[in-house]
Amino acid sequence: QKEVEQDPGPLSVPEGAIVSLNCTYSNSAFQYFMWYRQYSRKGPELLMYTYSSGNKEDGRFTAQVDKSSKYISLFIRDSQPSDSATYLCAMSVNSGYSTLTFGKGTMLLVSP
Amino acid sequence: ETGVTQSPTHLIKTRGQQVTLRCSSQSGHNTVSWYQQALGQGPQFIFQYYREEENGRGNFPPRFSGLQFPNYSSELNVNALELDDSALYLCASSTRTGANGELFFGEGSRLTVL
Repeated sequence: QKEVEQDPGPLSVPEGAIVSLNCTYSNSAFQYFMWYRQYSRKGPELLMYTYSSGNKEDGRFTAQVDKSSKYISLFIRDSQPSDSATYLCAMSVNSGYSTLTFGKGTMLLVSP
Repeated sequence: ETGVTQSPTHLIKTRGQQVTLRCSSQSGHNTVSWYQQALGQGPQFIFQYYREEENGRGNFPPRFSGLQFPNYSSELNVNALELDDSALYLCASSTRTGANGELFFGEGSRLTVL
């Protein structure tokens, strides 16, 4: 079993839809949880960062962490074609972002 | 403020050869991490350099080695290339202090091993 599991998709939605992206993990020591967005032929860029359990909202994006279930989610409201990208979840044991364990990434396609 | 830059962007090598990839960290960043991203996979941590010393290593064999220079730029060297080394190699820089220590990734060097 991989440490971090993420459905690779692709996930296709119409513009304006609410998107739900998820990851499960097995290492209970993970405390820091991140979502990165990666456009084709580009490096990942940080979208959301959460410490321990709870919710965090930033504009159209909401990140949720449920440590008891070892499950994290990213919700995108009012999805736009420009949101079409691969979304990678990442997590770490220690503070900061230095040594991250990534999921495979979910490819999202938002059609106009 | 310049971002993380990597070179070369693409390269093709044959099995058994050696390759050196280069990374210039973002201004003000003193820590560099390298990740390998195979096609359809998430990035995998190779190692991290801080103050010119290796400061953490993932599950990669010794033929993967690196350097960090006084200006915080870095190199990743891979010896005795294998077909499975074909991947996007990502460099990320960060600070060890500060509010978030966010990793800033470059656009990567895409290595193809034939």
